[in-house]
Amino acid sequence: GAGVSQSPSNKVTEKGKDVELRCDPISGHTALYWYRQSLGQGLEFLIYFQGNSAPDKSGLPSDRFSAERTGGSVSTLTIQRTQQEDSAVYLCASSLARRNTEAFFGQGTRLTVV
Amino acid sequence: KQEVTQIPAALSVPEGENLVLNCSFTDSAIYNLQWFRQDPGKGLTSLLLIQSSQREQTSGRLNASLDKSSGRSTLYIAASQPGDSATYLCAVCEGGSEKLVFGKGTKLTVNP
Repeated sequence: GAGVSQSPSNKVTEKGKDVELRCDPISGHTALYWYRQSLGQGLEFLIYFQGNSAPDKSGLPSDRFSAERTGGSVSTLTIQRTQQEDSAVYLCASSLARRNTEAFFGQGTRLTVV
Repeated sequence: KQEVTQIPAALSVPEGENLVLNCSFTDSAIYNLQWFRQDPGKGLTSLLLIQSSQREQTSGRLNASLDKSSGRSTLYIAASQPGDSATYLCAVCEGGSEKLVFGKGTKLTVNP
């Protein structure tokens, strides 16, 4: 596709429910990143994929958070038993390769846990 | 642990003014530094990428500089326009990891 696509754009869920957030990276981009942006806070790193493997998942805040990537393309971030503090904008980015290439971000998924 | 700081947190200027946004980072072992723009309710738009071996990059009215040894970068915006109003974010790609570490941004308002 022309850019990084994320779905849904908005998600309201009840506390305790599970949610899945989807990211379609730019075609051919091997690196994929998930970030979280809470109100008034900076961007918080969650997890990085190179191909289908996740060499750095150090930013996942708890074991309720998991992510996978299949076929070196689409990635899904799953949050189990959502809590109100999970409310944030979840941003996905992709880049052509590691390190020295530009990262392109999607429009984000705004998650609200009520 | 890498920390990125952006000063000022907010800036309001009249249209036409030249301005400088500042970014500092604590660990000079970086692969690159990237400047982004974020409009309200939107994702991030990449503006400029400076490799660790470079000193500056230019795109139109934007010029970004990098002084890796002192841990500083500046984004210069010439002849500002109301359409430049947005939050500007600086991020460094850490050496030894693949992740971008972000500052909290500078919210710029350009008044007509």
